[in-house]
Amino acid sequence: RKEVEQDPGPFNVPEGATVAFNCTYSNSASQSFFWYRQDCRKEPKLLMSVYSSGNEDGRFTAQLNRASQYISLLIRDSKLSDSATYLCVVNVASGGSYIPTFGRGTSLIVHP
Amino acid sequence: DTGVSQDPRHKITKRGQNVTFRCDPISEHNRLYWYRQTLGQGPEFLTYFQNEAQLEKSRLLSDRFSAERPKGSFSTLEIQRTEQGDSAMYLCASSSSFPGTKHEYNTGELFFGEGSRLTVL
Repeated sequence: RKEVEQDPGPFNVPEGATVAFNCTYSNSASQSFFWYRQDCRKEPKLLMSVYSSGNEDGRFTAQLNRASQYISLLIRDSKLSDSATYLCVVNVASGGSYIPTFGRGTSLIVHP
Repeated sequence: DTGVSQDPRHKITKRGQNVTFRCDPISEHNRLYWYRQTLGQGPEFLTYFQNEAQLEKSRLLSDRFSAERPKGSFSTLEIQRTEQGDSAMYLCASSSSFPGTKHEYNTGELFFGEGSRLTVL
């Protein structure tokens, strides 16, 4: 079983739609959770951190469920510019350190 | 530009040759990571450094892969006797860390370079 798992999609949605992605992780000792965005042929960039209490940044809402070991990302009022791959990142405990471990990413395509 | 820089951006080589990639992190960052990414996959962790110390190298894909960060600044990733399966994008990222009570936590944000794309013929 992979340490961080995501549905690769693609999620194909119209502009204005609400879309949600989930990510599960296997190591219960994991600390710190993030969503990164990666545009085609570009490097990943931090979208937002994910806190236990949940957090919101404009149209984006992230949630963490430690009991079920998953994190989620909700995008409201999708824009064409939201089309990208969304990468779930979990800091997985390994030998006294934490390794930022990526899921395979979920592809989002927003169409007119 | 004070971001993470990687060199070369593209490398085409013949099978069996050695290649070396360089990464210059953001100057005030003490952590440096190497990842490999293939099409349709997320970045796969290879190794990381805290200053000049290589703290995790068990995930390097084989003994043909090695990395150094001799003075705690720039880093190199070398692949010896390249194989066609080594073709991928090699990404470098840097970040800051802060000491926790038991473990050192990554502050979270990884700053990536644009990557070095390797093609092995």
